[in-house]
Amino acid sequence: GQSLEQPSEVTAVEGAIVQINCTYQTSGFYGLSWYQQHDGGAPTFLSYNALDGLEETGRFSSFLSRSDSYGYLLLQELQMKDSASYFCAAKGGGGNKLTFGTGTQLKVEL
Amino acid sequence: DTEVTQTPKHLVMGMTNKKSLKCEQHMGHRAMYWYKQKAKKPPELMFVYSYEKLSINESVPSRFSPECPNSSLLNLHLHALQPEDSALYLCASSLSYEQYFGPGTRLTVT
Repeated sequence: GQSLEQPSEVTAVEGAIVQINCTYQTSGFYGLSWYQQHDGGAPTFLSYNALDGLEETGRFSSFLSRSDSYGYLLLQELQMKDSASYFCAAKGGGGNKLTFGTGTQLKVEL
Repeated sequence: DTEVTQTPKHLVMGMTNKKSLKCEQHMGHRAMYWYKQKAKKPPELMFVYSYEKLSINESVPSRFSPECPNSSLLNLHLHALQPEDSALYLCASSLSYEQYFGPGTRLTVT
């Protein structure tokens, strides 16, 4: 089976930097993705790490360590619109299967 | 066109009804997915179609019946549902690691 654990809630102030962690136990792991979901909306893709290291996309960066079965999403220069749920997701377990983490609710305050 | 569309947006059905959810994409993606999402929870994979063939069924009850008429369309037929099946049903498609999600159908079973 596959399981991915995230903190349930993170609160930060506008303009700050926040890190959302994800630890996983999976079989046949290919890579780790991150998705953002606003209340009432659909998940939208943010980032993907197939290899160890840091991937940077604008204000968002994502990191993967396969040896530690760990990854994180780093959000810089936080804005109010970043308040949303964030999910890590592991690709693996055969075929096109994507398993989502438990999710982190990010609240950005003034 | 990087859009996945889903109809209807909202659906209320009784436990004896038969209804269908529809999903469409014109991005040429050959993998399509159905997910179920309860409030404050991550999306849970239900079915994966790859090249119009069912490749993954995550032990979903037979009252949910998927269908892929062609490479652009995905249906989910619903019959004799239970109140606990009330959820947001998300369709997604992908070419590689990035999944594109539709806005979802919010289903209420009465």
